[in-house]
Amino acid sequence: DAKTTQPNSMESNEEEPVHLPCNHSTISGTDYIHWYRQLPSQGPEYVIHGLTSNVNNRMASLAIAEDRKSSTLILHRATLRDAAVYYCIYKIQGAQKLVFGQGTRLTINP
Amino acid sequence: GAGVSQSPRYKVAKRGQDVALRCDPISGHVSLFWYQQALGQGPEFLTYFQNEAQLDKSGLPSDRFFAERPEGSVSTLKIQRTQQEDSAVYLCASSPWRVSNTEAFFGQGTRLTVV
Repeated sequence: DAKTTQPNSMESNEEEPVHLPCNHSTISGTDYIHWYRQLPSQGPEYVIHGLTSNVNNRMASLAIAEDRKSSTLILHRATLRDAAVYYCIYKIQGAQKLVFGQGTRLTINP
Repeated sequence: GAGVSQSPRYKVAKRGQDVALRCDPISGHVSLFWYQQALGQGPEFLTYFQNEAQLDKSGLPSDRFFAERPEGSVSTLKIQRTQQEDSAVYLCASSPWRVSNTEAFFGQGTRLTVV
């Protein structure tokens, strides 16, 4: 199974940027990197995904290292509603399933 | 509704009882997934359907677990002779395409407690 490594927890302050790191050293050239988050008592929610170049959407930005062995999810201005567990996943090409790790529990301080 | 709907939201079962958990995916979505999430852990894959075909059931923990999607829309996850270790949140997700790089939409889950 595709394995990623993330810190167990991180803390940040409201209205500040947050950088959530992820290592995926066994990724191959055609595997996409996905990020999901899970708010308390909810199912996971898609955040963003990318392959090689950096990606932006209304929720976040994804910065992918040149060697693709690591990536960083960037929340530009955290709000209290961003407190969640963030999962970094890479999908092996052709595979349908998402393989979740333990994720990073993000706490946002007011 | 616009999202993935799961029912019931909560289920308490006595050990040994059979349970059936329902998932209504987003209309028209080809792919459907079931995941199991134990307390404090990330979701773990159970099984995958493409329309009515169950293409991957490698994550089902035992032959007590059975999933079906007979008409390619609604799916049911059945657990026979429930045991305490089956207590978890069961999540259903659907995705519009067969290709692997689109987002999956998750329901809120069914919390199963076996007593």
